[in-house]
Amino acid sequence: KQEVTQIPAALSVPEGENLVLNCSFTDSAIYNLQWFRQDPGKGLTSLLLIQSSQREQTSGRLNASLDKSSGRSTLYIAASQPGDSATYLCAVSPNTGGFKTIFGAGTRLFVKA
Amino acid sequence: NAGVTQTPKFQVLKTGQSMTLQCAQDMNHNSMYWYRQDPGMGLRLIYYSASEGTTDKGEVPNGYNVSRLNKREFSLRLESAAPSQTSVYFCASRAQISGNTIYFGEGSWLTVV
Repeated sequence: KQEVTQIPAALSVPEGENLVLNCSFTDSAIYNLQWFRQDPGKGLTSLLLIQSSQREQTSGRLNASLDKSSGRSTLYIAASQPGDSATYLCAVSPNTGGFKTIFGAGTRLFVKA
Repeated sequence: NAGVTQTPKFQVLKTGQSMTLQCAQDMNHNSMYWYRQDPGMGLRLIYYSASEGTTDKGEVPNGYNVSRLNKREFSLRLESAAPSQTSVYFCASRAQISGNTIYFGEGSWLTVV
């Protein structure tokens, strides 16, 4: 059974710092991995999607990497801003059937001004 | 662009009451999902519909039923609400099997007293 773990559960950093959020998964047979952002009281917004054949994806100050063999992904946020404060979740989709996307519990990020 | 629309946003139920959460998407997506989100547990899949006319159980289906009314709409019904079903419910949709981004609704806050 696929399990997705995110460490740390919460993180507080000063504005301007570069930071890394971690995601690990137990079954490497994945189709893709997605990183989402969730603001309080809101739904999830997709940030980056990495297909299983890819190693990384970039969007602006965000860079996500994928190491399927070790079951790990990282989300790198450069030059953090207070507006980056949110919960970040990773999710993996299996390559069998493909519908049962499994989510991690998320990392709650607070960027201090 | 409406995307994924859920109703109601907030609901308080008494134990044993029934209700239906409505979800509609206007992106012509094939797959639709219902998740629940509880503190510290991430999102857990309740039911999904791979395409119009099909539905399947997810990780935590007990106490729920679903209907894929047409390609746009996917409803979640609680027949006899229990306090353990107090949660935030998210509807989501995706264009195809696994390969595409998942889009989420804004969530429905349900409290069962």
